[in-house]
Amino acid sequence: EIVLTQSPGTLPLSPGERATLACRASQSFGGSYLAWYQQKPGQAPRLLMYGSSSRATGIPDRFSGSGSGTDFTLTISRLEPEDFAVYYCQQYGRSPYTFGQGTKLEIK
Amino acid sequence: QVTLRESGPALVKPTQTLTLTCTFSGFSLSTSGMCVSWIRQPPGKALEWLARIDWDDDEFYDTSLRTRLTISKDTSKNQVALTMTNMDPVDTATYYCARAVGGYAYYIDVWGKGTTVTVSS
Repeated sequence: EIVLTQSPGTLPLSPGERATLACRASQSFGGSYLAWYQQKPGQAPRLLMYGSSSRATGIPDRFSGSGSGTDFTLTISRLEPEDFAVYYCQQYGRSPYTFGQGTKLEIK
Repeated sequence: QVTLRESGPALVKPTQTLTLTCTFSGFSLSTSGMCVSWIRQPPGKALEWLARIDWDDDEFYDTSLRTRLTISKDTSKNQVALTMTNMDPVDTATYYCARAVGGYAYYIDVWGKGTTVTVSS
């Protein structure tokens, strides 16, 4: 089973700042089959990125993703107030299709 | 517009079997490349992927829960069911169903709102 480790666990930043979230896999899972999701309290997750770097429909271009192999990054170029949430990565290249433990982006 | 809705009991007793149903619209599970996954989230904790069923009847399961889970589909009703046997209080969680799409590998693109299941005597 592939273990995804997200860092940091909590990221305190201010609106307007840049956020960099990391997701590291215990082994390669073939290709760049990694997705990122945003979850706000009381809501279901929402797809942000797939294929490591492709933005989902309707996602603003301040969100970008990169990486391949075992190291992946989600970057939010300039934080908006609505971006403060929990972010999860998931690999969908090899079953079981595991999630990371999440990074909470909080207002500093 | 793609929507998914989970339904099932809100409360189950320990050792009982849980059956959840995902009813979806806006796509067909008989279409090549369509899949439905189940994911759960214990209160205050991370997402946990459980199972997936594909348009071609392939099934995939979480390793540690494999012996307790069964996923099935009824294409004519646009439904996917998940059964989990021998429920325990640690299985208390919000359970989500979600559509997965792709070409070679399949990512979740649309989620249901989730249904909360509490396991307690």
